[in-house]
Amino acid sequence: EDQVTQSPEALRLQEGESSSLNCSYTVSGLRGLFWYRQDPGKGPEFLFTLYSAGEEKEKERLKATLTKKESFLHITAPKPEDSATYLCAVQAQGSGNTGKLIFGQGTTLQVKP
Amino acid sequence: DTEVTQTPKHLVMGMTNKKSLKCEQHMGHRAMYWYKQKAKKPPELMFVYSYEKLSINESVPSRFSPECPNSSLLNLHLHALQPEDSALYLCASSQGTIAEETQYFGPGTRLLVL
Repeated sequence: EDQVTQSPEALRLQEGESSSLNCSYTVSGLRGLFWYRQDPGKGPEFLFTLYSAGEEKEKERLKATLTKKESFLHITAPKPEDSATYLCAVQAQGSGNTGKLIFGQGTTLQVKP
Repeated sequence: DTEVTQTPKHLVMGMTNKKSLKCEQHMGHRAMYWYKQKAKKPPELMFVYSYEKLSINESVPSRFSPECPNSSLLNLHLHALQPEDSALYLCASSQGTIAEETQYFGPGTRLLVL
């Protein structure tokens, strides 16, 4: 069964304290891995799409990496405005051409000033 | 511009009411999606439209009825809902071939069923 697991569930950081969020996946052939940021009561905001192992993408303080089994979202020198829930989702070949995203449960990040 | 808009932002309805949620995008995307999200849970796929045709229905109860009048617009008609249907309803869109595509989400409609 296709599965996505994110860790930790919650993460508290001091402003400027760099860290990483993990997304482990077990799928029948990866078509794409997606990172989203979600603020309370709002829709997920797209961050990155990764397609193949070894791929890396960066945006401001965020950097996403991908291996054959997991993805990391590295946050460098976070600020309080980076506080949000970060969702990882994958599309698997086993889902056919449905576009179905398999989401992890998310990591809730709190950055304190 | 990667904007998907949804109206209304909030909706309160009784179990006997009929209401509709609206989603619009002007990115030229040809695939549109409805998701349901409960508190502290990830979004769950409900429906997928590809080129204005319903391609996926994830075994959603018939009290939810989707409609895609044109390539920019997606509606979700609600009738005889239950309190457990209270959730954040999200619309998303992608370019059109669906597989491997990035989905862009709207801000959502917060629905409360009394």
